[in-house]
Amino acid sequence: EDQVTQSPEALRLQEGESSSLNCSYTVSGLRGLFWYRQDPGKGPEFLFTLYSAGEEKEKERLKATLTKKESFLHITAPKPEDSATYLCAVQAILSGAGAQKLVFGQGTRLTINP
Amino acid sequence: GAGVSQTPSNKVTEKGKYVELRCDPISGHTALYWYRQSLGQGPEFLIYFQGTGAADDSGLPNDRFFAVRPEGSVSTLKIQRTERGDSAVYLCASSLGPNNEQFFGPGTRLTVL
Repeated sequence: EDQVTQSPEALRLQEGESSSLNCSYTVSGLRGLFWYRQDPGKGPEFLFTLYSAGEEKEKERLKATLTKKESFLHITAPKPEDSATYLCAVQAILSGAGAQKLVFGQGTRLTINP
Repeated sequence: GAGVSQTPSNKVTEKGKYVELRCDPISGHTALYWYRQSLGQGPEFLIYFQGTGAADDSGLPNDRFFAVRPEGSVSTLKIQRTERGDSAVYLCASSLGPNNEQFFGPGTRLTVL
């Protein structure tokens, strides 16, 4: 069964203090790994898709990386507006039913203090 | 352009009642998904539509849950004989095709008293 585990569950940083969030996964065959940001009371907002080990993608202060077993979301010099829950999800390579669903981790709740 | 929209934003109902939740996907997106999110957890897959047909309904918890997408655009998630355990945020997502990024709506918060 495909599984996604995120750590830590919660992280509190000072403004400007860089850190990384971890997403460990087990999947029969990885089609894609997705990062989303979710603000309270809102739906998840798409950030990145990674497809193969060694791939990296960047957007403003965020950089996502991928290995064969885990993904990291690096946050450089964060600002208070980066506070949110960050969700990781995997999509497996399957034929037929089950191929399109995303399997999510429980998320990391990030708080950036000014 | 408009994103995925969901109505109502909040729904409070009594145990045993029937509810319908509506999703309007991004125009032109052929794939539509329903997920359910409990407090402090990530979304859990319920059902996937490609066009008008339910291509994967393996996440529906039991036969009280049913979803339709009759014209390949708007979808309705229907829950019969609601139970307190059905309380959650129900999220809808759409994508251009089955292997493209999924874009989520704001969700419907369902509370069963």
